[in-house]
Amino acid sequence: QVQLQQWGAGLLKPSETLSLNCSVIGGSFNNYYWTWIRQAPGKGLEWIGEINYSGSANYNPSVRDRVSISIDTSKRQISLKLTSVTVADTALYYCARTGLWVRASDLWGQGTMVTVSS
Amino acid sequence: IQLTQSPSFLSASAGDRVTITCRASQDISLYLAWYQQRSGEPPNLLISAASTLHSGVPSRFSGSGSGTEFTLTINGLQPEDFATYYCQQLNTYLTFGGGTKVEI
Repeated sequence: QVQLQQWGAGLLKPSETLSLNCSVIGGSFNNYYWTWIRQAPGKGLEWIGEINYSGSANYNPSVRDRVSISIDTSKRQISLKLTSVTVADTALYYCARTGLWVRASDLWGQGTMVTVSS
Repeated sequence: IQLTQSPSFLSASAGDRVTITCRASQDISLYLAWYQQRSGEPPNLLISAASTLHSGVPSRFSGSGSGTEFTLTINGLQPEDFATYYCQQLNTYLTFGGGTKVEI
C-alpha cells in the first residue's frame, strides 16, 4: 500500500524558512507529479506547487518568489521550502500524488501543521 | 482561473439528493476534479475529468458539466457524506474552489 509520510518543523518565527519533507513509501515514484497543498485553519485548500520526477516544477504565482520544491529520486523524497514566512503561512501542509495526465491528486499525506508565531 | 462554489453551506438530511455547483472564470473544458474532506482528515479524490468516478468511490456520487459550469451530485446522502467538498481545476495552477460544507 502506497503511503506518503511527511515531516518537518512545526513552529517557526516570522522571516524564517519553512522546510518540509515527504517520503513516498511503496508504489511507483516516477510516473507522477508530487504536489504540495496547504490549508489555513478553518479555511480552504491552496495549491502551492508541484514537481515531477525529472525535477520540472510549477508554482502558485502567489508564493512563486518564496517557494522551492525539490525531488530526490534516490530517496523517493520531495521537499518544500518556503522562505520569509509570515503568520499568513500558518497552515496544515499536505503532500499529494498527482497524475501526470489527469492532474488530480489521488493520494495524500497525513499533513503537517506549521505555525508561524513570534 | 478562479473557481466559485455554491452554496458555501448546505443543510441536508440522510437520503437527500444534494447538488453542488462549481463555476470557473474561464473555459477549462473537462479539467475539473471533486474532493471530499471529512473533519480532521486529508481530502479524498471523488471525481476527475469532470465526471470520472475515482476507484472505490460509491456510485451515489456523480459529476457533470464542461467549460465553465460543473456540478457534483450525491444521490441518497449517507451519514459519512457529511463533509466539505472542493472542486479543483486541473488546467493551470491547479486552484481550488472555496468549498461547500454539507451539514446535517
